[in-house]
Amino acid sequence: DVKVTQSSRYLVKRTGEKVFLECVQDMDHENMFWYRQDPGLGLRLIYFSYDVKMKEKGDIPEGYSVSREKKERFSLILESASTNQTSMYLCASSAPGRPTYEQYFGPGTRLTVT
Amino acid sequence: DAKTTQPPSMDCAEGRAANLPCNHSTISGNEYVYWYRQIHSQGPQYIIHGLKNNETNEMASLIITEDRKSSTLILPHATLRDTAVYYCIVRERTGANSKLTFGKGITLSVRP
Repeated sequence: DVKVTQSSRYLVKRTGEKVFLECVQDMDHENMFWYRQDPGLGLRLIYFSYDVKMKEKGDIPEGYSVSREKKERFSLILESASTNQTSMYLCASSAPGRPTYEQYFGPGTRLTVT
Repeated sequence: DAKTTQPPSMDCAEGRAANLPCNHSTISGNEYVYWYRQIHSQGPQYIIHGLKNNETNEMASLIITEDRKSSTLILPHATLRDTAVYYCIVRERTGANSKLTFGKGITLSVRP
């Protein structure tokens, strides 16, 4: 089974802090994604990466950056956390080159910025 | 990606089949139907997908109408742990960078 793990289930940070959210997958997937999920807004893509050191902006990249130094790890960075970044953050991975592109999600990190 | 329409909620009794409908009347020929679910406070979970033939796996069955304008996800013997929001998504089998867009989904409540 694919396993996607995220470093924390719950996180509380102060406004202005630099925040690192880590995601690790164990299935040698090339593609990794960061989403945020908010009530009434559904799932929104922040960044994705299709290879080591490669990254692409999603729909809402402002205020975020990412790092992919190793294939199995994809980090989301909030350079200066703000209260409007309080949200559930979800990491996912998928394997290209297969007949299907199902994405496997981690358990999520619920981030609160105060 | 084509738009999908799902009723907001439904319930079923534990042990009975749960039939979750989805309309996708604007689906194009190269778009697949995907189903995911999200149990409260967990990440979404892939369930099944199909193009035009009915599909079955260990979790569920997917029935797609012949005109492909609607589909039904069937959980054959629903359990309390199947209580979740179920999302029907239509998208192309494009490159590896395809993003997912979840709508509001249908909330399934399985009652004892």
